[in-house]
Amino acid sequence: SAVISQKPSRDICQRGTSLTIQCQVDSQVTMMFWYRQQPGQSLTLIATANQGSEATYESGFVIDKFPISRPNLTFSTLTVSNMSPEDSSIYLCSVDGTSGGATDTQYFGPGTRLTVL
Amino acid sequence: GENVEQHPSTLSVQEGDSAVIKCTYSDSASNYFPWYKQELGKRPQLIIDIRSNVGEKKDQRIAVTLNKTAKHFSLHITETQPEDSAVYFCAASHNSGYALNFGKGTSLLVTP
Repeated sequence: SAVISQKPSRDICQRGTSLTIQCQVDSQVTMMFWYRQQPGQSLTLIATANQGSEATYESGFVIDKFPISRPNLTFSTLTVSNMSPEDSSIYLCSVDGTSGGATDTQYFGPGTRLTVL
Repeated sequence: GENVEQHPSTLSVQEGDSAVIKCTYSDSASNYFPWYKQELGKRPQLIIDIRSNVGEKKDQRIAVTLNKTAKHFSLHITETQPEDSAVYFCAASHNSGYALNFGKGTSLLVTP
């Protein structure tokens, strides 16, 4: 499967600021997703990062709060904007590990642990 | 949208015993059902998955069964070992979007 890295691995931020998280894959992939995992909770999909077009957001998540970029088939960013303590979570990217067409098998990056004070 | 329910939320077994975790889903269009294992501080790792055209799949000590009529699927771990201790998540998706809907997780503790 693809090797996925995320930067930063963790950060502590002040409320009202923004943080951009990067997800880099060592091979081209069709699908990239961003999930949030609040402490002790399950994973919730934020959005699907579409290459060359606007991300597709899930109910409860909006572009102004979580702008996403996907400039190519190996890289995506998620920005958490105007942060509040409720945004403290682990943010994970996932990929489908293939470039030959979308599949539903997903592999996760190591995650970014965000703490907002 | 899809709703995935997972039971139990916690499970404690003795080493060598079997562990079973059950999930139900609501969307009859779902056709892909993966299971992830997440150790503390680590990323979720795909351990096994099953598609709707198959009723059972095995990989060494791990098996997954699927009942499409009843809309439920289960993870079976035999001969459990302490290193099986982790949080296990089930998920479901269908081809139109590929997004995974996760259950709430089961914290499995295997005691020596």
